[in-house]
Amino acid sequence: QQPVQSPQAVILREGEDAVINCSSSKALYSVHWYRQKHGEAPVFLMILLKGGEQKGHDKISASFNEKKQQSSLYLTASQLSYSGTYFCGTEPFDSGDTPLVFGKGTRLSVIA
Amino acid sequence: GAGVSQSPSNKVTEKGKDVELRCDPISGHTALYWYRQRLGQGLEFLIYFQGNSAPDKSGLPSDRFSAERTGESVSTLTIQRTQQEDSAVYLCASSLGRWGAGGYTFGSGTRLTVV
Repeated sequence: QQPVQSPQAVILREGEDAVINCSSSKALYSVHWYRQKHGEAPVFLMILLKGGEQKGHDKISASFNEKKQQSSLYLTASQLSYSGTYFCGTEPFDSGDTPLVFGKGTRLSVIA
Repeated sequence: GAGVSQSPSNKVTEKGKDVELRCDPISGHTALYWYRQRLGQGLEFLIYFQGNSAPDKSGLPSDRFSAERTGESVSTLTIQRTQQEDSAVYLCASSLGRWGAGGYTFGSGTRLTVV
């Protein structure tokens, strides 16, 4: 079942912070985060495997709340290069052989 | 190879023709995935290979779509009797294993336009 991402779109000025949420109706084994720039392939940012785990990638970090079946991506002091569409991909515990199911994406625009 | 390679990068075909899309995964990656992305939309799962086997074909939209993988390497996605709704970017990805902790590496995709 497709995870739900929010917000659908956000516009930031350089230096501002943003949070992107990803929620699932199923208990999750893992959550992946990817960024896709216009006309390019999605690029892997990070994976969260355990409940409550947090990870960071430069000034981008994420948390995984296993109980709430959701993950949040935090972008701190945003830069122009952060612009793109962010996708979460989820793997429920009962996914069987079905790989990542992606959300519809959150379009992030950072302006000067 | 260094990354996931897809060919062709662009394909324009007439409605009703068959097309074949190719994916060369990263060497040593046992898991290979095909996704479809319509303009401005998210990533729609099509099929997944573990080695040369396809445990999950549930995402294939119709029997016009088929895929195979040989030598635990190259994969081809074939669309028969193409329709205009097949127009999209077809993305291939690979990973070290089904539960790979390193995430998926995507190719640049094949942009298919059916006219």
